[in-house]
Amino acid sequence: DADVTQTPRNRITKTGKRIMLECSQTKGHDRMYWYRQDPGLGLRLIYYSFDVKDINKGEISDGYSVSRQAQAKFSLSLESAIPNQTALYFCATSGSGQGDTEAFFGQGTRLTVV
Amino acid sequence: AQRVTQPEKLLSVFKGAPVELKCNYSYSGSPELFWYVQYSRQRLQLLLRHISRESIKGFTADLNKGETSFHLKKPFAQEEDSAMYYCALRAFQKLVFGTGTRLLVSP
Repeated sequence: DADVTQTPRNRITKTGKRIMLECSQTKGHDRMYWYRQDPGLGLRLIYYSFDVKDINKGEISDGYSVSRQAQAKFSLSLESAIPNQTALYFCATSGSGQGDTEAFFGQGTRLTVV
Repeated sequence: AQRVTQPEKLLSVFKGAPVELKCNYSYSGSPELFWYVQYSRQRLQLLLRHISRESIKGFTADLNKGETSFHLKKPFAQEEDSAMYYCALRAFQKLVFGTGTRLLVSP
């Protein structure tokens, strides 16, 4: 089941290039998140959005921007990619109800900046 | 500030041995804690949450507010338990993750 879909799955780009990672979901969730995963550092929150008009910075937002085009779509952009942004990026969604707090993750986008 | 600490990067055990993956948190509010698991080549998925007080795949975790811990336990590890395990805390509607522990279960 592909409730949360990320594109592309893998990407190699050059330093200084602008790149966009896309995420779409069919779970009907309001909340969407972007994380990056690095060995030994776990998952760190880049940006999150609680609805289409709400965008919030996470702990490591510098060098990134996001766009919430619709409830189902949340894109992450690297304005000018640098090698230390090489990582595995995950999109996640969750509901907003009291008992609806489980996060559902995409399959990840492996980004390499050379 | 909210923080989740998983002190072990790697835990290696033999099949049938007990397993305990440690998780400690810091949060001033009422915590909501989770364990997520990532099997090889699969996406992260929820394993269990403290609110449910359930056992999933033989794993249990009890929230200890006095020790601010939420350790994950299984009495008899299986080879298919080998995976990356993340403890997570919901704080101010955000999900904060620990650095993860890789569990390797050898035959």
